Amino acid sequence: EAQVTQNPRYLITVTGKKLTVTCSQNMNHEYMSWYRQDPGLGLRQIYYSMNVEVTDKGDVPEGYKVSRKEKRNFPLILESPSPNQTSLYFCASSTRGQGSQPQHFGDGTRLSIL
Amino acid sequence: GQNIDQPTEMTATEGAIVQINCTYQTSGFNGLFWYQQHAGEAPTFLSYNVLDGLEEKGRFSSFLSRSKGYSYLLLKELQMKDSASYLCAVRAHGGATNKLIFGTGTLLAVQP
Repeated sequence: EAQVTQNPRYLITVTGKKLTVTCSQNMNHEYMSWYRQDPGLGLRQIYYSMNVEVTDKGDVPEGYKVSRKEKRNFPLILESPSPNQTSLYFCASSTRGQGSQPQHFGDGTRLSIL
Repeated sequence: GQNIDQPTEMTATEGAIVQINCTYQTSGFNGLFWYQQHAGEAPTFLSYNVLDGLEEKGRFSSFLSRSKGYSYLLLKELQMKDSASYLCAVRAHGGATNKLIFGTGTLLAVQP
Protein backbone atom coordinates (compact mmCIF):
# COMPACT_ATOMS: atom_id res chain seq x y z
CA GLU A 1 0.00 0.00 0.00
CA ALA A 2 1.33 3.43 -0.98
CA GLN A 3 1.84 5.48 2.12
CA VAL A 4 3.73 8.09 4.07
CA THR A 5 4.52 6.95 7.61
CA GLN A 6 5.33 9.29 10.46
CA ASN A 7 6.50 8.40 13.96
CA PRO A 8 5.65 9.08 16.65
CA ARG A 9 1.99 10.04 16.24
CA TYR A 10 1.92 11.82 19.59
CA LEU A 11 4.70 13.14 21.80
CA ILE A 12 4.75 15.22 24.96
CA THR A 13 8.21 16.41 25.95
CA VAL A 14 10.01 19.21 27.71
CA THR A 15 11.82 22.30 26.54
CA GLY A 16 15.35 21.68 25.34
CA LYS A 17 15.20 17.91 24.98
CA LYS A 18 16.23 17.00 21.42
CA LEU A 19 13.71 15.01 19.43
CA THR A 20 13.37 13.53 15.98
CA VAL A 21 10.18 12.86 14.05
CA THR A 22 10.70 10.26 11.36
CA CYS A 23 9.03 10.20 7.96
CA SER A 24 9.23 7.41 5.42
CA GLN A 25 7.52 6.95 2.06
CA ASN A 26 7.33 3.85 -0.13
CA MET A 27 6.36 5.50 -3.42
CA ASN A 28 9.86 6.33 -4.66
CA HIS A 29 8.98 10.02 -4.60
CA GLU A 30 11.70 12.59 -5.18
CA TYR A 31 10.00 15.44 -3.35
CA MET A 32 9.38 15.43 0.40
CA SER A 33 8.25 18.20 2.68
CA TRP A 34 7.46 19.01 6.31
CA TYR A 35 4.57 21.23 7.38
CA ARG A 36 3.23 22.46 10.65
CA GLN A 37 -0.44 23.20 11.11
CA ASP A 38 -1.68 25.69 13.68
CA PRO A 39 -5.22 27.00 14.26
CA GLY A 40 -5.96 30.01 12.08
CA LEU A 41 -2.64 29.73 10.24
CA GLY A 42 -3.17 26.73 8.01
CA LEU A 43 -0.37 24.49 6.77
CA ARG A 44 3.02 26.18 6.67
CA GLN A 45 6.05 24.61 5.07
CA ILE A 46 9.10 24.08 7.31
CA TYR A 47 11.63 22.40 5.01
CA TYR A 48 11.52 20.51 1.76
CA SER A 49 13.75 18.23 -0.24
CA MET A 50 13.79 17.74 -3.97
CA ASN A 51 16.01 14.68 -3.88
CA VAL A 52 18.68 12.87 -1.86
CA GLU A 53 21.12 15.31 -0.23
CA VAL A 54 19.09 18.29 -1.54
CA THR A 55 17.16 20.22 1.11
CA ASP A 56 15.95 23.79 1.38
CA LYS A 57 14.12 26.07 3.79
CA GLY A 58 10.41 26.59 3.59
CA ASP A 59 8.51 29.46 5.16
CA VAL A 60 9.10 28.69 8.86
CA PRO A 61 12.45 26.85 9.20
CA GLU A 62 13.70 28.42 12.44
CA GLY A 63 14.35 25.86 15.17
CA TYR A 64 14.23 22.85 12.84
CA LYS A 65 16.71 20.72 10.92
CA VAL A 66 16.22 18.01 8.31
CA SER A 67 18.31 15.53 6.43
CA ARG A 68 17.81 13.43 3.28
CA LYS A 69 20.38 10.68 3.22
CA GLU A 70 18.06 8.17 1.55
CA LYS A 71 15.26 8.77 -0.90
CA ARG A 72 12.56 7.22 1.29
CA ASN A 73 13.37 8.98 4.60
CA PHE A 74 13.12 12.62 5.62
CA PRO A 75 13.43 13.09 9.39
CA LEU A 76 12.59 16.35 11.14
CA ILE A 77 14.91 17.27 14.00
CA LEU A 78 14.21 19.68 16.81
CA GLU A 79 17.58 20.25 18.48
CA SER A 80 16.24 22.33 21.37
CA PRO A 81 12.45 22.32 21.31
CA SER A 82 10.53 25.26 22.72
CA PRO A 83 6.83 25.65 23.60
CA ASN A 84 6.15 27.66 20.42
CA GLN A 85 6.91 24.49 18.47
CA THR A 86 3.87 22.81 19.95
CA SER A 87 1.88 21.97 16.84
CA LEU A 88 0.53 19.32 14.50
CA TYR A 89 3.21 18.25 12.02
CA PHE A 90 2.70 16.61 8.64
CA CYS A 91 5.18 15.02 6.29
CA ALA A 92 4.27 14.86 2.61
CA SER A 93 5.78 13.41 -0.54
CA SER A 94 5.18 13.60 -4.27
CA THR A 95 6.82 13.17 -7.62
CA ARG A 96 8.44 16.34 -8.90
CA GLY A 97 6.12 19.24 -9.48
CA GLN A 98 4.69 18.84 -12.91
CA GLY A 99 1.11 18.14 -13.75
CA SER A 100 -1.51 16.95 -11.39
CA GLN A 101 0.69 14.94 -9.01
CA PRO A 102 -0.66 15.73 -5.56
CA GLN A 103 1.29 15.63 -2.36
CA HIS A 104 0.53 12.58 -0.22
CA PHE A 105 0.42 13.29 3.50
CA GLY A 106 1.33 11.20 6.50
CA ASP A 107 -1.14 10.86 9.38
CA GLY A 108 0.46 13.64 11.38
CA THR A 109 2.46 13.99 14.58
CA ARG A 110 1.04 15.97 17.45
CA LEU A 111 3.88 17.50 19.46
CA SER A 112 3.45 19.17 22.83
CA ILE A 113 6.49 20.96 24.24
CA LEU A 114 6.13 21.85 27.93
CA GLY B 1 3.57 38.54 -1.29
CA GLN B 2 1.67 35.28 -1.41
CA ASN B 3 -1.90 35.21 -0.18
CA ILE B 4 -4.73 32.72 -0.36
CA ASP B 5 -8.16 33.57 1.05
CA GLN B 6 -11.00 31.23 1.93
CA PRO B 7 -14.03 31.65 4.19
CA THR B 8 -13.32 30.36 7.67
CA GLU B 9 -16.53 28.44 8.19
CA MET B 10 -19.63 27.39 6.27
CA THR B 11 -22.77 25.48 7.15
CA ALA B 12 -24.96 23.50 4.76
CA THR B 13 -27.76 20.95 4.88
CA GLU B 14 -27.52 17.27 4.03
CA GLY B 15 -28.51 16.69 0.41
CA ALA B 16 -27.87 20.28 -0.64
CA ILE B 17 -25.13 21.88 -2.74
CA VAL B 18 -22.37 24.08 -1.32
CA GLN B 19 -19.72 26.20 -3.03
CA ILE B 20 -16.44 26.99 -1.25
CA ASN B 21 -14.55 29.91 -2.76
CA CYS B 22 -10.82 30.54 -2.86
CA THR B 23 -9.02 33.64 -4.12
CA TYR B 24 -5.28 33.81 -4.52
CA GLN B 25 -2.51 36.30 -5.16
CA THR B 26 0.80 34.56 -5.77
CA SER B 27 4.06 35.41 -7.51
CA GLY B 28 3.42 32.67 -10.08
CA PHE B 29 0.88 30.00 -10.86
CA ASN B 30 1.41 26.38 -11.80
CA GLY B 31 -1.76 24.68 -10.61
CA LEU B 32 -4.35 24.76 -7.83
CA PHE B 33 -5.26 21.87 -5.56
CA TRP B 34 -8.17 21.20 -3.24
CA TYR B 35 -7.71 18.93 -0.25
CA GLN B 36 -10.17 17.57 2.30
CA GLN B 37 -9.09 17.25 5.92
CA HIS B 38 -11.16 15.62 8.64
CA ALA B 39 -10.39 16.76 12.18
CA GLY B 40 -7.07 15.36 13.40
CA GLU B 41 -6.40 13.54 10.15
CA ALA B 42 -4.16 14.00 7.12
CA PRO B 43 -5.25 16.14 4.18
CA THR B 44 -6.41 14.02 1.25
CA PHE B 45 -6.33 15.13 -2.38
CA LEU B 46 -9.65 16.06 -4.01
CA SER B 47 -8.99 17.92 -7.24
CA TYR B 48 -6.51 19.77 -9.44
CA ASN B 49 -6.95 22.66 -11.88
CA VAL B 50 -4.31 24.29 -14.03
CA LEU B 51 -6.39 25.56 -16.96
CA ASP B 52 -9.50 27.71 -16.78
CA GLY B 53 -12.74 25.85 -16.46
CA LEU B 54 -14.55 23.18 -14.54
CA GLU B 55 -13.18 19.78 -13.53
CA GLU B 56 -15.80 17.28 -12.39
CA LYS B 57 -15.19 14.23 -10.22
CA GLY B 58 -18.36 12.57 -9.02
CA ARG B 59 -20.07 14.71 -6.41
CA PHE B 60 -17.14 17.14 -6.36
CA SER B 61 -16.28 19.76 -8.99
CA SER B 62 -13.65 22.45 -9.02
CA PHE B 63 -13.51 25.60 -11.11
CA LEU B 64 -10.60 27.90 -11.95
CA SER B 65 -10.30 31.37 -13.42
CA ARG B 66 -6.63 32.32 -13.67
CA SER B 67 -7.34 35.89 -14.81
CA LYS B 68 -9.39 36.48 -11.66
CA GLY B 69 -7.18 34.51 -9.30
CA TYR B 70 -10.27 32.57 -8.27
CA SER B 71 -11.33 29.00 -7.73
CA TYR B 72 -14.26 27.25 -6.13
CA LEU B 73 -15.02 23.74 -4.95
CA LEU B 74 -18.59 22.59 -5.50
CA LEU B 75 -19.95 19.74 -3.41
CA LYS B 76 -23.27 18.22 -4.48
CA GLU B 77 -25.66 15.91 -2.66
CA LEU B 78 -24.00 16.69 0.63
CA GLN B 79 -23.53 13.87 3.11
CA MET B 80 -22.78 14.06 6.80
CA LYS B 81 -19.32 12.61 6.13
CA ASP B 82 -18.50 15.71 4.05
CA SER B 83 -18.18 17.67 7.30
CA ALA B 84 -14.48 18.56 7.20
CA SER B 85 -12.03 21.34 6.42
CA TYR B 86 -11.40 22.07 2.76
CA LEU B 87 -7.97 23.43 1.90
CA CYS B 88 -7.13 25.42 -1.20
CA ALA B 89 -3.46 25.26 -2.22
CA VAL B 90 -1.57 26.93 -5.05
CA ARG B 91 1.62 25.65 -6.63
CA ALA B 92 3.25 28.95 -7.34
CA HIS B 93 6.36 27.81 -9.15
CA GLY B 94 7.18 25.66 -12.12
CA GLY B 95 10.17 23.42 -12.64
CA ALA B 96 10.93 20.54 -10.31
CA THR B 97 9.64 22.05 -7.12
CA ASN B 98 6.24 21.03 -5.84
CA LYS B 99 5.99 23.75 -3.20
CA LEU B 100 2.38 24.42 -2.25
CA ILE B 101 1.03 27.52 -0.56
CA PHE B 102 -2.03 26.67 1.51
CA GLY B 103 -5.00 28.73 2.53
CA THR B 104 -6.16 28.46 6.12
CA GLY B 105 -9.02 26.16 5.15
CA THR B 106 -12.81 26.32 5.25
CA LEU B 107 -14.52 24.31 7.96
CA LEU B 108 -17.74 22.91 6.52
CA ALA B 109 -20.46 21.67 8.86
CA VAL B 110 -23.18 19.54 7.24
CA GLN B 111 -26.39 19.49 9.26
CA PRO B 112 -29.23 16.96 9.02
